[in-house]
Amino acid sequence: RKEVEQDPGPFNVPEGATVAFNCTYSNSASQSFFWYRQDCRKEPKLLMSVYSSGNEDGRFTAQLNRASQYISLLIRDSKLSDSATYLCVVLSGGSYIPTFGRGTSLIVHP
Amino acid sequence: DAEITQSPRHKITETGRQVTLACHQTWNHNNMFWYRQDLGHGLRLLHYSYGVQDTNKGEVSDGYSVSRSNTEDLPLTLESAASSQTSVYFCASSESQGGETQYFGPGTRLLVL
Repeated sequence: RKEVEQDPGPFNVPEGATVAFNCTYSNSASQSFFWYRQDCRKEPKLLMSVYSSGNEDGRFTAQLNRASQYISLLIRDSKLSDSATYLCVVLSGGSYIPTFGRGTSLIVHP
Repeated sequence: DAEITQSPRHKITETGRQVTLACHQTWNHNNMFWYRQDLGHGLRLLHYSYGVQDTNKGEVSDGYSVSRSNTEDLPLTLESAASSQTSVYFCASSESQGGETQYFGPGTRLLVL
């Protein structure tokens, strides 16, 4: 079983839709969680960190469920520019070495 | 502005040749990483370094080596390029304290014929 798993999608949604992605992780000692965004043929960039209490950044909401060992990303009012691959990233305690999921592809269409 | 750069951006080489990919960062980060990204595999860690003269093997290190002689650079060398090493290579860096966020370079597309 891969340490970090994501549904590869693609998720194909119309503009204005709400879409959610989940990411499961296998290491219960994992302490830090992130969502990165990667545009086609570009480098990954940090979208947001995921905090235990959940956090929001504009149209984006991230949640952590330690009991079930998953994190989620909710995108409200989807824009065409949200089309990208979203990578789930997990760090175990005391490590600077992240484990990346394979990514979930989102396509927002007019 | 601080940045992380990679060169070359595109490279075509032949099987058996030695290839070196450059990575240079001006963030003054101690931690540096090399990944390859392939369809169906996501990002896989090749090597990483926590500081000058420190190097460590990652998940997929066979056929690759790195050296860290200063803070800014972590070159990646393919000793004898193989077609299986055709991929996109990303370099990244992070801070030494609370260094959880990684900053990626733009990537190098390598084709081994």
